[in-house]
Amino acid sequence: EVQLVESGGGLVKPGGSLRLSCAASGFTFSSYSMNWVRQAPGKGLEWVSSISSSSSYIYYADSVKGRFTISRDNAKNSLYLQMNSLRAEDTAVYYCARSHSGVIQHWGQGTLVTVSS
Amino acid sequence: DIQMTQSPSSLSASVGDRVTITCRASQGISNYLAWFQQKPGKAPKSLIYAASSLQSGVPSKFSGSGSGTDFTLTISSLQPEDFATYYCQQYNSYPPTFGPGTKVDIK
Repeated sequence: EVQLVESGGGLVKPGGSLRLSCAASGFTFSSYSMNWVRQAPGKGLEWVSSISSSSSYIYYADSVKGRFTISRDNAKNSLYLQMNSLRAEDTAVYYCARSHSGVIQHWGQGTLVTVSS
Repeated sequence: DIQMTQSPSSLSASVGDRVTITCRASQGISNYLAWFQQKPGKAPKSLIYAASSLQSGVPSKFSGSGSGTDFTLTISSLQPEDFATYYCQQYNSYPPTFGPGTKVDIK
């Protein structure tokens, strides 16, 4: 069974940093692209970033480019999102998602990031 | 960026009803269109990819159609567990973009 478990969310002050993690199991992690998708409270889904299976291709939404960094460790079956210079508008539930050929197939349960003073 | 719109934004329906949700892309995306279901407080669930292909384990009461700019999601006979918000998403080009969602609730 595919499992994606996010962690690392919490309350952080504007301008602060946070690192999210996603632990993957139940599939060959190194064979799949991975993504972060977020959802602000009461709002819709927003794609944040994607990384290819071997980290060769990385993409970011304009809203986070230059502030967020996606990475992965295939030996540890883990995906990461380093978030710097956080703003109030980054407050959201962050989901880790597995994709194949661009298609999101599985989602984690999400981790809440709150940016507030 | 490709903009995605959905209609209606919300609808009320009864158990057993046939429900259709429309999704439109601001430019042609071939069939690179996915649909997701999200229940309150839960993670989204993947339903359909390539406009009309069901993800593994998704019941056949869900169906999708369309190509180019206009797409539909149909639920053939609405059941209590289907009351949720539905999102379309294009993956034809980066950045992938989602529609604003359609909330389906009980009449």
